[in-house]
Amino acid sequence: GESVGLHLPTLSVQEGDNSIINCAYSNSASDYFIWYKQESGKGPQFIIDIRSNMDKRQGQRVTVLLNKTVKHLSLQIAATQPGDSAVYFCAEGWGGATNKLIFGTGTLLAVQP
Amino acid sequence: DAGVTQSPTHLIKTRGQQVTLRCSPKSGHDTVSWYQQALGQGPQFIFQYYEEEERQRGNFPDRFSGHQFPNYSSELNVNALLLGDSALYLCASSSRGSETQYFGPGTRLLVL
Repeated sequence: GESVGLHLPTLSVQEGDNSIINCAYSNSASDYFIWYKQESGKGPQFIIDIRSNMDKRQGQRVTVLLNKTVKHLSLQIAATQPGDSAVYFCAEGWGGATNKLIFGTGTLLAVQP
Repeated sequence: DAGVTQSPTHLIKTRGQQVTLRCSPKSGHDTVSWYQQALGQGPQFIFQYYEEEERQRGNFPDRFSGHQFPNYSSELNVNALLLGDSALYLCASSSRGSETQYFGPGTRLLVL
């Protein structure tokens, strides 16, 4: 399949290390944030989301941190595995269930064995 | 439980032609959103359908139109294709009352 992340910012980590992927969002009115993982040739896969009334949310091996003061979002992946290699997108939304998602440019995570 | 499905997976068209892409939402979902993803970029919102009506629209020309059927499935139509329409077209479904959108595998459109 084709590569989605030819000219994207790249984060290279060793297998077993923790990864931190950062994202700056643009709209102060955004109240919902979501991280997606996209492997080559596939559609985005939901990882974790967070609402603006929270500053941290944990899932399985992943944690999302939200700093509304500086409009910054991060995704932490613990014990990174080769299967985590993909392009990661953050997206923001507002307006509840009718919202459209605005995506960031994406970060390519490359896990070295 | 089937996830979001899209057809076809790949499509080749020539400039000026018209194309129809199809999407079936995840079971239990009633809202369908369409996105265009150019190579190396994030998805861009085209429009959203709920109760068979277009509810929101992104910054795309009228050449892009859609439809939602009573079974919640949806079609994206693009008329007068341009070379710049070449992209991965993604469908995402969600249920009213939830913001989480789940994406299908996409349709790769190449316009020659």
